[in-house]
Amino acid sequence: GAVVSQHPSRVICKSGTSVKIECRSLDFQATTMFWYRQFPKQSLMLMATSNEGSKATYEQGVEKDKFLINHASLTLSTLTVTSAHPEDSSFYICSARPRGGPFSGNTIYFGEGSWLTVV
Amino acid sequence: AQSVSQHNHHVILSEAASLELGCNYSYGGTVNLFWYVQYPGQHLQLLLKYFSGDPLVKGIKGFEAEFIKSKFSFNLRKPSVQWSDTAEYFCAVKRDSGNTPLVFGKGTRLSVIA
Repeated sequence: GAVVSQHPSRVICKSGTSVKIECRSLDFQATTMFWYRQFPKQSLMLMATSNEGSKATYEQGVEKDKFLINHASLTLSTLTVTSAHPEDSSFYICSARPRGGPFSGNTIYFGEGSWLTVV
Repeated sequence: AQSVSQHNHHVILSEAASLELGCNYSYGGTVNLFWYVQYPGQHLQLLLKYFSGDPLVKGIKGFEAEFIKSKFSFNLRKPSVQWSDTAEYFCAVKRDSGNTPLVFGKGTRLSVIA
């Protein structure tokens, strides 16, 4: 099936620094990618919708200046957590919906997720 | 706003017991329905999905789910669980209108004991 890859899978950063998480669709193009956050023992909450070549659409309560999303190409979206704080520690997951090709349809494919720990 | 409800937070079953996890959604239009599983320490994996057609959907590992439109439900079932089914199960709904995101339920933790 279609593969979505996230990097890094685990990252530890100091409070106040910024960290970037990459989400790549390896065998398909995606005009839209979605970023989710999962706190321990809770469900996945949609943070933002990333659109290739345009600004991301953020969900209510998500600070767009803190969580910078860039969707520079049809296979890459990045999430940058700026000035990270311990409360930003979470599991961040991206997903993508293929545009055309053999994997096209309504199925959305998920990355492996990235564990962020802010110390 | 669209919401997804999973009724059970934590289910504990003995091996070979039958499983049914409830999922209800609130959106009234056409939807696509999914069940994902997250094994301990691993990423989300798709168990099964419903887009249209036969409301009884069969997925991987012996799981199935039934879409009942009148009840806005998409319950997950398995006749006989195994210890390896211990995981977190998420129901998700997507409006069938282009690039809309998945909305997830809060998840149900399944613990299967020997």
